[in-house]
Amino acid sequence: EPEVTQTPSHQVTQMGQEVILRCVPISNHLYFYWYRQILGQKVEFLVSFYNNEISEKSEIFDDQFSVERPDGSNFTLKIRSTKLEDSAMYFCASSVEGLFSPLHFGNGTRLTVT
Amino acid sequence: DQQVKQNSPSLSVQEGRISILNCDYTNSMFDYFLWYKKYPAEGPTFLISISSIKDKNEDGRFTVFLNKSAKHLSLHIVPSQPGDSAVYFCAASESNDYKLSFGAGTTVTVRA
Repeated sequence: EPEVTQTPSHQVTQMGQEVILRCVPISNHLYFYWYRQILGQKVEFLVSFYNNEISEKSEIFDDQFSVERPDGSNFTLKIRSTKLEDSAMYFCASSVEGLFSPLHFGNGTRLTVT
Repeated sequence: DQQVKQNSPSLSVQEGRISILNCDYTNSMFDYFLWYKKYPAEGPTFLISISSIKDKNEDGRFTVFLNKSAKHLSLHIVPSQPGDSAVYFCAASESNDYKLSFGAGTTVTVRA
């Protein structure tokens, strides 16, 4: 069964450094997402992406965050200057359609900011 | 974000019996609901969904019930199996919205 793949599985970075999290969505999916889960908290929406542009973003997704689909297969999340509170599990997801379509999640990247 | 609530953090059930997981929501604009299962060190896996035009959807051992007037949905797993031991998340979205709002999750333990 096709799956969403994320790399790396664990990323450790120092506060203030830039980090890029990578995802390969399912190949025939058109909508892409990033979610995160801080330890002990709920899974939170960050951003959705369709047709090479952001379709929706949350309050968390401020100017320090950006997303890109640099080629036909990868979908990346960049955090320009990481903060301690960015430490979380980051999940990439994709769906065939944007609405009324289940999201399929990757296994996540655990980001630890020290 | 308290729009989706799973008030039971854990549930223990004997193998072969029914597991019933509950979820409440406050946003009356939600019209699409999903259940996800999550194992440690993995991402959430889609289980089953239901739109607001229905009150029941069944897929094998999994059945989701939606009570719109009570803003409540439940997931029934029958019969429960040891492999069902995981964290279960309820999620919801509005029809014009791309984002899912998640509950805090219920940890299910199936005892042999």
